[in-house]
Amino acid sequence: GIQVEQSPPDLILQEGANSTLRCNFSDSVNNLQWFHQNPWGQLINLFYIPSGTKQNGRLSATTVATERYSLLYISSSQTTDSGVYFCAVIQRAQKLVFGQGTRLTINP
Amino acid sequence: GAGVSQSPSNKVTEKGKDVELRCDPISGHTALYWYRQSLGQGLEFLIYFQGNSAPDKSGLPSDRFSAERTGGSVSTLTIQRTQQEDSAVYLCASSLTGLTEAFFGQGTRLTVV
Repeated sequence: GIQVEQSPPDLILQEGANSTLRCNFSDSVNNLQWFHQNPWGQLINLFYIPSGTKQNGRLSATTVATERYSLLYISSSQTTDSGVYFCAVIQRAQKLVFGQGTRLTINP
Repeated sequence: GAGVSQSPSNKVTEKGKDVELRCDPISGHTALYWYRQSLGQGLEFLIYFQGNSAPDKSGLPSDRFSAERTGGSVSTLTIQRTQQEDSAVYLCASSLTGLTEAFFGQGTRLTVV
């Protein structure tokens, strides 16, 4: 089945810094999503982005489907950005396949 | 509008008892997914429904686990004879077609003592 790899596994930054999280996938996909899991365990939808670029405030994402990767950019990070960021893909209306996540810690 | 709703939010059960976890998907969503997440770990796929059918139940860890979906809406995940290793957060998600954006519920935290 399709493989999803996220990097880095852990990232520690100071408040105000920018960060880039990467998601590589091993085959073509119909759907790619980025989620933020907050400290209470809730999975928050960030982007639905099978291809192209989207922006939402300080966050933006780019998926290059032909090269099988997606990037999540966080600018001017805040302590509330801390948590685990997951990338997930769907191939041919099957299950969502998740990467192992990037744990982001923003220190004040 | 209403999101994905799971109940109960928390469940503490004794080892050996059966438990039922419920998921109410977003109205009109045909695809429904169950995952579980152990403490500090990633998301483990359990089962995927399209309508009332389960084309992929490959993630169910043993025959103690079963799930059903009725009326193309509510789904129930049943764990029989619970074991301590079943302790985890069980997450449900739904999407409109199975190819579109998926949304998760808040999860059910199951503790087996």
